[in-house]
This record gives sequence, C-alpha cells and structure tokens, in this order.
Amino acid sequence: DAKTTQPPSMDCAEGRAANLPCNHSTISGNEYVYWYRQIHSQGPQYIIHGLKNNETNEMASLIITEDRKSSTLILPHATLRDTAVYYCIVRVDDKIIFGKGTRLHILP
Amino acid sequence: EPEVTQTPSHQVTQMGQEVILRCVPISNHLYFYWYRQILGQKVEFLVSFYNNEISEKSEIFDDQFSVERPDGSNFTLKIRSTKLEDSAMYFCASSPYWTEAFFGQGTRLTVV
Repeated sequence: DAKTTQPPSMDCAEGRAANLPCNHSTISGNEYVYWYRQIHSQGPQYIIHGLKNNETNEMASLIITEDRKSSTLILPHATLRDTAVYYCIVRVDDKIIFGKGTRLHILP
Repeated sequence: EPEVTQTPSHQVTQMGQEVILRCVPISNHLYFYWYRQILGQKVEFLVSFYNNEISEKSEIFDDQFSVERPDGSNFTLKIRSTKLEDSAMYFCASSPYWTEAFFGQGTRLTVV
C-alpha cells in the first residue's frame, strides 16, 4: 500500500500557483519522494523527485519539510492542461506504488 | 525526446485467449515495469524486471502472467488465458536506474 496521504481533490485558478500537499510521516531516511501525474487515461508522467533538499525543474518545485514527514508540489503558474490526478509516492524498493492521488481541477 | 512505445493501443480478445502486449522501452534503460489500471481505479503495480529476470511482482501477477525481453529492444507481457477481469489499461514503463520511470501511453485490453 502507498505510504502517503493526499487530499482527494483540489481546485486552483488558472494562472495561480497550485500547491499540492502530501503527508509521508513513516518515510525512512533513504526513501525518496516522487511526484507523478496522470492526465485523463494517459500513462503516468514523471514530474519531480527529491530526498531532503528542495528541488526545482521546468515543470514544478518540490518542497520537503526538514523532518521529511511531508512535502508540497508547486506548479507555479497552473494552466488548464495541468488538470490531472497528482500522485505523491514514497519509493519502496524498485517499484513505484500509486495511491489514489489528488485530483487537481484548474478553473478558468 | 525518447519515449516508451506500446502496441497495440487497443486490443480486443475473447475470454480464454492468450494475449501479448508489447512495449519498446527507452534505449539504454535498465529497469522495466508493467502496471495496469482498471477503469476508474488506481494504477496497480504488476511486475518489475531487471537484468533479464523478474525482480519483484505483485499478488496480481499470478501464473497467468509472464514477461519476456526477447531481444534488446522489446519487453512483452503475456496473459495466457484471459478473463473478463483482465480488462484494463496496461502501462509499460522503463527507467535508467533505480530512479524516475517513464511510462508509455498504454494498451487498452478489452476481454469479451
């Protein structure tokens, strides 16, 4: 089972920053936090991952708390194309286990 | 940009028939995966494959399922005798190391 907890759904206005929270209170010291998203029924798309430092790439930023028990994915300027289910995943061994994720609705 | 390619995009098969789903992972990737997603449900892990052998499999991946990397480019999932409940989207993924995995667009399997 997934080791993370996410809100089932969130809304965000187009052009605003979307902040998606994730709790992973049982994370171990060497486990990474990964974020994926799934647009409609397409294949999951990798977004970003991190261990303990904050990370940024062309898609998003990942903020991990100092105790590593939670993290936030930030989409800086959400567009309608960012409407998707976002999955926060703590990687266990060599497999990625998906939970139910957060359904993000971008509102025009 | 390199991508994982899956064929066919949609497969319809009769119950009890064998089906093979095909995937071409990204070149030089070392880890390969199959996942499935039943309509309206979450993405479920089936199996991971590394160094020409299964490294991990889920409870779903029973004796009806098998995977193979027959050559240097293809990665296949075989279902020996399909059941109605095997109807789902099947996603293949690959990763260069034990890091981010890249997914294909999936094969929709419909068992009738």
